[in-house]
Amino acid sequence: RKEVEQDPGPFNVPEGATVAFNCTYSNSASQSFFWYRQDCRKEPKLLMSVYSSGNEDGRFTAQLNRASQYISLLIRDSKLSDSATYLCVVTVNAGGTSYGKLTFGQGTILTVHP
Amino acid sequence: NAGVTQTPKFRILKIGQSMTLQCTQDMNHNYMYWYRQDPGMGLKLIYYSVGAGITDKGEVPNGYNVSRSTTEDFPLRLELAAPSQTSVYFCASSYNPGGGANVLTFGAGSRLTVL
Repeated sequence: RKEVEQDPGPFNVPEGATVAFNCTYSNSASQSFFWYRQDCRKEPKLLMSVYSSGNEDGRFTAQLNRASQYISLLIRDSKLSDSATYLCVVTVNAGGTSYGKLTFGQGTILTVHP
Repeated sequence: NAGVTQTPKFRILKIGQSMTLQCTQDMNHNYMYWYRQDPGMGLKLIYYSVGAGITDKGEVPNGYNVSRSTTEDFPLRLELAAPSQTSVYFCASSYNPGGGANVLTFGAGSRLTVL
């Protein structure tokens, strides 16, 4: 089983749609969770961190389910500019100043069409 | 601020050639990383550094070497290029790797093709 798994998609949705992605992780010691966005032929950029209580940033909502070991990203009212690859990142922190191991999922491709 | 700067952006190598990918950051981040990304795959960690003079292997270090003589610079060396090293390489840095921060700032990437 991969450490971090995402449905690669692609997800093709019309503008204005609501779309959700899930990401599962295998290491129960995972402590930090993030969603990154990667535009075509560009570098990944942080979209949002994922907190235990869930968090929202405008049209984006992130949820964490530790019991089932998955995180989710919900995008409401999709825009053409939301078209990108969404990368799930899971971290097992070693604590203190030690390196925290980051593991990336393979990414979910989203295409929003007019 | 420039953030993380990588050079070159594109490079074509012949099998067996050597080259160095340069990476520099101006954010005074202690932690720096090199990743490779193959099509349809997640990022795989090659090497990382927790500070000047300290480096360690990631998931896929074979065929690569790194050094970290200053806080700012973290070059990645390919000694004998092989077709399997054709990939997009990303350098990244972070300020607080522990305590849940682990927010990476990436360079724009270097596309390497080995023929």
